[in-house]
Amino acid sequence: EVQLVESGGGLVQPGGSLRLSCAASGFTFSSYWMHWVRQAPGKGLVWVSRINGGGDNTAYADSVKGRFTISRDNAKNTLYLQMNSLRDEDTAVYYCARGMTEGSGYYLFDYWGQGSLVTVSS
Amino acid sequence: DIQMTQSPSSLSASVGDRVTITCRASQGISNYLAWYQQKPGKVPKLLIYAASTLQSGVPSRFSGSGSGTDFTLTISSLQPEDVATYYCQKYNSAPGAFGQGTKVEIK
Repeated sequence: EVQLVESGGGLVQPGGSLRLSCAASGFTFSSYWMHWVRQAPGKGLVWVSRINGGGDNTAYADSVKGRFTISRDNAKNTLYLQMNSLRDEDTAVYYCARGMTEGSGYYLFDYWGQGSLVTVSS
Repeated sequence: DIQMTQSPSSLSASVGDRVTITCRASQGISNYLAWYQQKPGKVPKLLIYAASTLQSGVPSRFSGSGSGTDFTLTISSLQPEDVATYYCQKYNSAPGAFGQGTKVEIK
């Protein structure tokens, strides 16, 4: 059974940093592109970042480029999102999501984690 | 960037009604269109991809159609468990934009 379990969320002050983790199980983690998607309270879904299976190809939404860094440790089956220079507007539930097809770079997500709430506030 | 626009933003229908949600892309995206369902307080769930292919386990009352810029999601007979917000998404390239969502309620 595919499982994605996020951790690391919490309350942080504007300008602060936080690192989210997503522990994966039930599939060959290194074979799949992985993504982060966020949802501000009461709002819609917004794609944030993605990384290929080998970890050497990344992309970011313009709103987080230069502040967030996606990475992965295939030995630990874990995806990360390092978030720096956090702003009020980064407040959201952050979901990790698996790219649907093995080896595919499409932004199509078949499994989602339960989400991790990040609150940026003074 | 390509923008995705859904209509309506919300709707209320009776159990058994046929419900249609529309999604329009600002540029052609062929059939690289997915639909997700998000029930209140829950995680999004993939319903349809390639505009019309039902994800495994999704009830057959859900269907999708369209190509290019105009797409529809249809629920042939609305059920109480279909209360949710539905999002379209184009997935062929970054930034994988979602529509703003359509909230479906029971009248």
